[in-house]
Amino acid sequence: AQSVTQLGSHVSVSEGALVLLRCNYSSSVPPYLFWYVQYPNQGLQLLLKYTSAATLVKGINGFEAEFKKSETSFHLTKPSAHMSDAAEYFCAVILNSGYSTLTFGKGTMLLVSP
Amino acid sequence: KAGVTQTPRYLIKTRGQQVTLSCSPISGHRSVSWYQQTPGQGLQFLFEYFSETQRNKGNFPGRFSGRQFSNSRSEMNVSTLELGDSALYLCASSDPDRMNTEAFFGQGTRLTVV
Repeated sequence: AQSVTQLGSHVSVSEGALVLLRCNYSSSVPPYLFWYVQYPNQGLQLLLKYTSAATLVKGINGFEAEFKKSETSFHLTKPSAHMSDAAEYFCAVILNSGYSTLTFGKGTMLLVSP
Repeated sequence: KAGVTQTPRYLIKTRGQQVTLSCSPISGHRSVSWYQQTPGQGLQFLFEYFSETQRNKGNFPGRFSGRQFSNSRSEMNVSTLELGDSALYLCASSDPDRMNTEAFFGQGTRLTVV
């Protein structure tokens, strides 16, 4: 069975500091991986996706993620946090080719302090 | 292109009642998926419809049902509401002609059962 684990339900950083949100997946085959962001009372917005092309994926708003098969990880990073980055972030995976069903991690709330 | 539209945004119902939520996907998207989001369980997949057929279903009781119309608009219905059904219900659409592409989410319907 596929699953996604996000380490840390809350991550706090200072404005300008590095953002690192961790995601590990369990899958016997290379999955399709996604990071979504959710602002309060909003739906989910795609930040970036990995679909077996380049292992380093660049997304919107300066975020990027690196797929590491040996570590079964897909951590999200941003060099310098902005106050506007404060939101909840979800890692998700699609395992079955041809389907659109997403399995989500529990989410990580990013808090940014001035 | 207009995004995914969910109506209504907010809903308050009484235990035992039933409710119908609506989702209009992005024009041209034939796949519509529904997810339930709660603080305790996170984001959970309900079902996916493609070309008016349910092609994938999550682990929810039969009180949860859905359908898709010929114009790809989808509805989900919850009968005999329970307090635990209070949640944010998110709809997502995707383009099946682009395999494993990202899902685009609506803003959700916040259902409160009292």
